[in-house]
Amino acid sequence: DVKVTQSSRYLVKRTGEKVFLECVQDMDHENMFWYRQDPGLGLRLIYFSYDVKMKEKGDIPEGYSVSREKKERFSLILESASTNQTSMYLCASSETRATGELFFGEGSRLTVL
Amino acid sequence: AQSVAQPEDQVNVAEGNPLTVKCTYSVSGNPYLFWYVQYPNRGLQFLLKYITGDNLVKGSYGFEAEFNKSQTSFHLKKPSALVSDSALYFCAVRDMADYKLSFGAGTTVTVRA
Repeated sequence: DVKVTQSSRYLVKRTGEKVFLECVQDMDHENMFWYRQDPGLGLRLIYFSYDVKMKEKGDIPEGYSVSREKKERFSLILESASTNQTSMYLCASSETRATGELFFGEGSRLTVL
Repeated sequence: AQSVAQPEDQVNVAEGNPLTVKCTYSVSGNPYLFWYVQYPNRGLQFLLKYITGDNLVKGSYGFEAEFNKSQTSFHLKKPSALVSDSALYFCAVRDMADYKLSFGAGTTVTVRA
């Protein structure tokens, strides 16, 4: 069964802390994505990667960075967490072909105090 | 630019009645359309997709969706709703030339017994 695993389901951090959210997929997918989900706003794309060491900004990249050193792993980094980054973060992966659906992890709920 | 609108924040139906969740989209080229479902505190699960061909697409859990190019719509339907269908539903669109998937704000479905 295909699987996208996010390392932490729930995190509580303090303002100014550096936060790492890890995501691993076992489907050998080329594309990986980080979205944040907020009530009434749906899912908004933060960053995506279409190959190892490649990344592109999504719709809301400010305050975030990403790392993809290996094909199966895509990390989201909050350099200095702020309260407005309190949210649900969803990682996803897909094949290269545009017709392929995204496979999502269970999500990481981050609270910044 | 691509976008999705889900005009209803909430849909309430009685068990056994038909369920419809509305979605309209905007893309510059040919659309690839998707529906996802999210249960509380979980990631998104893929339901179905339209790529090409028959306008009526069948998916998981008895759901189907109808692609209407002239109305730029992709409404999700189920002939007889179950209480277990209560969840948050997202419509998404991708332009065939793009990696990114754009999501609507979501529609909360409540099926009462």
